[in-house]
This record gives sequence, structure tokens and C-alpha cells, in this order.
Amino acid sequence: GAGVSQTPSNKVTEKGKYVELRCDPISGHTALYWYRQSLGQGPEFLIYFQGTGAADDSGLPNDRFFAVRPEGSVSTLKIQRTERGDSAVYLCASSSGGEETQYFGPGTRLLVL
Amino acid sequence: AQSVSQHNHHVILSEAASLELGCNYSYGGTVNLFWYVQYPGQHLQLLLKYFSGDPLVKGIKGFEAEFIKSKFSFNLRKPSVQWSDTAEYFCAVNFNDYKLSFGAGTTVTVRA
Repeated sequence: GAGVSQTPSNKVTEKGKYVELRCDPISGHTALYWYRQSLGQGPEFLIYFQGTGAADDSGLPNDRFFAVRPEGSVSTLKIQRTERGDSAVYLCASSSGGEETQYFGPGTRLLVL
Repeated sequence: AQSVSQHNHHVILSEAASLELGCNYSYGGTVNLFWYVQYPGQHLQLLLKYFSGDPLVKGIKGFEAEFIKSKFSFNLRKPSVQWSDTAEYFCAVNFNDYKLSFGAGTTVTVRA
């Protein structure tokens, strides 16, 4: 069956630009998560959606980061005025419920020049 | 603060050797515990998980892990590794909520 998919797989942008990263979860999964993984570290939580609403966005580093999930399926992570420190792999995961096993996508590798 | 620590950053061993990777967490309440693996060029995959019940958990590819509540540990083991076990291994903990807290990961290199 189809797993979590993320597009693009790689994104190179210039400092100050706006980027959008997309996540398509496993069909039927109501919970969706975004994590960020910097080099040499484990993934760090950014935001959690249950359905269409962001149940917890406490991991977003600042107000340049925003995420939506308007129809309770696909989610988009939006980063405004990108900075070089935003360079990382952005991972999306989904699960059938809030405390169930999370299944991860392949990630989007973002490089800000 | 809740945290997850993995003791080894990089482990190198030969095929057929035994593997044990340490994972400890700091939290006195209910936890769900996971080990994920990331093979070169692939995405994170679930190796095994512990929610409740038997503290010795068996996962895919011959891996197992033991939850020792008194030690706040969830160590991963495999009796005999293969070259294909070369990967990065992450311990993750759900601290009685929905988000995962990950350790920094352990890179395992198995020499043929």
C-alpha cells in the first residue's frame, strides 16, 4: 500500500525566499506530524494535526513557519523569509490516532543558500 | 525536562557479532517506546515498539528490545548482525502524549 509521500524530495532556495513543502499521509490516517532533522541529530517535533486543526504547534521555531491541513489529508509546511539555519530534512509522519505508531515519509531536504 | 539519550554515536562491528544499542529516557510516567531504523538512502522505518505488556519486544529482521522501567531504558539487541544491518538507528519515546522525542541516533557500520 501507499506510504507517506513528500514533495519535493529536494529543494534549493536562496535566503529570504518563501518555500512550501507538501506531505500526503497514509489514506485514512487522521493524525499528521511534521518534524525537522538537522545533520547529526534525531528528528525534532514541529507541529501535530488531528484532522484539519493544528492540535499542537509548540515545536515551530518562530512565526516564519506555518503549516496547514485544510481538508484533513494533505498538509503543507510553509516557510517565509528562509534563513540558512532552516537547512535541514523536513519529515512528515502520519498515524491512525494521536498516540499510535507514526509512519514516516522520505523527507524533503531543504538547502537555503 | 523529558529527554532521550543514546549512548553510542557510532558503532563498528563485524558480521555475526552481537549488537546492543543503549537508549535511556528521563520521565517517570507512562511512555510508549520505539526503535526506528534508517537504511542508507531510505526513510525512517519502524523496527519495533513497546506500549505495554511483555517488556521483551521482538521486531523485524531479528531485532529485539527490552524495556526496563526501573532503569528508564529500552535497549536494542540483535544476536548476530549482517552487513545489511548497516544503518542509523533512532530510539524514540512518546511521553504520554502524541509527539515523539528522538535520541540523536547511532550509526551502525557492519563490516563484511
